[in-house]
Amino acid sequence: GAVVSQHPSWVICKSGTSVKIECRSLDFQATTMFWYRQFPKQSLMLMATSNEGSKATYEQGVEKDKFLINHASLTLSTLTVTSAHPEDSSFYICSARDVAGDGNIQYFGAGTRLSVL
Amino acid sequence: RKEVEQDPGPFNVPEGATVAFNCTYSNSASQSFFWYRQDCRKEPKLLMSVYSSGNEDGRFTAQLNRASQYISLLIRDSKLSDSATYLCVPSSGSARQLTFGSGTQLTVLP
Repeated sequence: GAVVSQHPSWVICKSGTSVKIECRSLDFQATTMFWYRQFPKQSLMLMATSNEGSKATYEQGVEKDKFLINHASLTLSTLTVTSAHPEDSSFYICSARDVAGDGNIQYFGAGTRLSVL
Repeated sequence: RKEVEQDPGPFNVPEGATVAFNCTYSNSASQSFFWYRQDCRKEPKLLMSVYSSGNEDGRFTAQLNRASQYISLLIRDSKLSDSATYLCVPSSGSARQLTFGSGTQLTVLP
């Protein structure tokens, strides 16, 4: 099946630093990628839809200046958590749609666990 | 009202048991439907798509009732490895966005 690589898998950082997370589709092209966040014992919440070559679409309540998304190629989207604070500690997961295959199916990266001290 | 409602469980069943999960969704414009499973501290993995005609994949059977906005998953002959959280996930919108329920936790006991 399609593979999505997400890096890094773990990040521990000091409050105020910025953290960049990469999401790559390894064997297919993804014009659309998605970024989710999951707090303990809660469901995945969509943060934003990342569109190749254009601005991301953010969900209500998600600060676009806080969570910068860049989707510069058909296989790479990045999420940068700027000036991270302890409340940003969470499990961040990306996914990508294989538009050439079954465009309805999203494949997920393994997630990034962010801990802000 | 939540967009996707699932019984959180936990469901604790013995090996070999049959277990059923139900889900309702509120967005009548939802186009596609999926069941994902998520293991503790891992990403969701697609279990199966759900079709109006019902579909089966080995021990797993999924049903969709669009009129009632209801989705179900039946697991037969439960295995220890089936222990996970099962997520009911409708898809909607031009970008095929997924909306995740909070999941139903299943533990299969030896």
